Amino acid sequence: AQSVSQHNHHVILSEAASLELGCNYSYGGTVNLFWYVQYPGQHLQLLLKYFSGDPLVKGIKGFEAEFIKSKFSFNLRKPSVQWSDTAEYFCAVNYPLNTGGFKTIFGAGTRLFVKA
Amino acid sequence: GAGVSQSPSNKVTEKGKDVELRCDPISGHTALYWYRQSLGQGLEFLIYFQGNSAPDKSGLPSDRFSAERTGGSVSTLTIQRTQQEDSAVYLCASSLSDVQGGDYGYTFGSGTRLTVV
Repeated sequence: AQSVSQHNHHVILSEAASLELGCNYSYGGTVNLFWYVQYPGQHLQLLLKYFSGDPLVKGIKGFEAEFIKSKFSFNLRKPSVQWSDTAEYFCAVNYPLNTGGFKTIFGAGTRLFVKA
Repeated sequence: GAGVSQSPSNKVTEKGKDVELRCDPISGHTALYWYRQSLGQGLEFLIYFQGNSAPDKSGLPSDRFSAERTGGSVSTLTIQRTQQEDSAVYLCASSLSDVQGGDYGYTFGSGTRLTVV
């Protein structure tokens, strides 16, 4: 079965620190890649996505992610975090099924806490 | 509607009872997904609909779980003879699904928090 691994389950940073959350996936073919964010008490929201082209994609709120095909990775970064970035972050991979559809699987999530 | 709507938002049920969870996707979204979110477990894939058909049911935990979608719109997830381990947040998401190019990101509902006592 395909899998998505997020290396850190909990991350604690001070405001203005830089952030990098790791994500690796197992599927060997063409994939679409996503990062979702869930702020406390809110539902999951799409942060950014990669389909093709420039492997460095920019999302909302200053987040970016880099797709490195050779490493099966799609790490999320932000140069300077804010207290309001406290949330849970999920990496997701979308890949084709033999039935002709597509399936998206999620990593276990990383809880980020930013100290003011 | 403007977003994905799920009902009820909270459900407390006794062990052994059946429950039905409802998802109303964004109008025009052909793909609909059910996930389960348990504390510390991330999102567990349950089932995926493209239109009214379910190409992938592999995530349903047991034969107590079933789902259907009618009219390419509303979907219901039914859990029969609920057990305490079924307690979780059940999330529904919809997407403009391009079969050629993959999904374009999901819009999630707020979820149904199921508690089995």
